[in-house]
Amino acid sequence: DTEVTQTPKHLVMGMTNKKSLKCEQHMGHRAMYWYKQKAKKPPELMFVYSYEKLSINESVPSRFSPECPNSSLLNLHLHALQPEDSALYLCASSLGQGITEAFFGQGTRLTVV
Amino acid sequence: DQQVKQNSPSLSVQEGRISILNCDYTNSMFDYFLWYKKYPAEGPTFLISISSIKDKNEDGRFTVFLNKSAKHLSLHIVPSQPGDSAVYFCAASYNDYKLSFGAGTTVTVRA
Repeated sequence: DTEVTQTPKHLVMGMTNKKSLKCEQHMGHRAMYWYKQKAKKPPELMFVYSYEKLSINESVPSRFSPECPNSSLLNLHLHALQPEDSALYLCASSLGQGITEAFFGQGTRLTVV
Repeated sequence: DQQVKQNSPSLSVQEGRISILNCDYTNSMFDYFLWYKKYPAEGPTFLISISSIKDKNEDGRFTVFLNKSAKHLSLHIVPSQPGDSAVYFCAASYNDYKLSFGAGTTVTVRA
C-alpha cells in the first residue's frame, strides 16, 4: 500500500463553519505534511509532523490547526476561514522527516464561501 | 521569493519525440532535486530525483540532468507517450528540509 488517502475530496464551507480535513497512510511513514496549493502556483508547506509531534509550522494562521492522533493519521482543523483560504490542500508522508521522495495524497479541494 | 523556477508554463510534443523540461534554482544550498508528475484531481507523484553529487540520473524513459554551476536541471522524457500528459513540478530541498516547488510545466503529448 503506497497510498496517502485524503478525505473529503471536495469541501465547501462558510466562514463561520468548523470543518476538518483528514489524511491517512499505512506505509509506516513517520513524517507527515500539509501543503497548500493555489491555482497555477506551486505547493507551499504549512506543517510538518515528525513522530507524531509538530516539528515545523510555516507561520500558518491559527485558523488552521493540525493534529496528529497517531502515526497513520493527520488532521487539519479549519475554523473561521476566509475566502482567500480556498485552495487545494495536499497531505504528504515520508519515511522520516527527510522530505525527499514524499508520497502525496490527491488533495482536498476547499472552497470557502 | 520563488527559489525554484520553471519558466515554461506549457510544452507540447509529438508522441515518440523527446520532451525536455527545464528548471532553474537560486539557492546554492539545495542538495537534492526531484521531479513530480501531477494528473488533474490527483496529488503529485514522485518521478525521479538527483543528488547534488551527481550530474545525471536515469530511470527508464526519464533522465534528469543537473548543472550545478548554472543552477539548472532538466528532465528528459524519451520517447514521449500520451500518458505523459500531465503537470510536472520541479522541487528542491537542502538538509532534507522542506521541498521548494517550481510553478509547474503542463506537458501535452500529441498523438
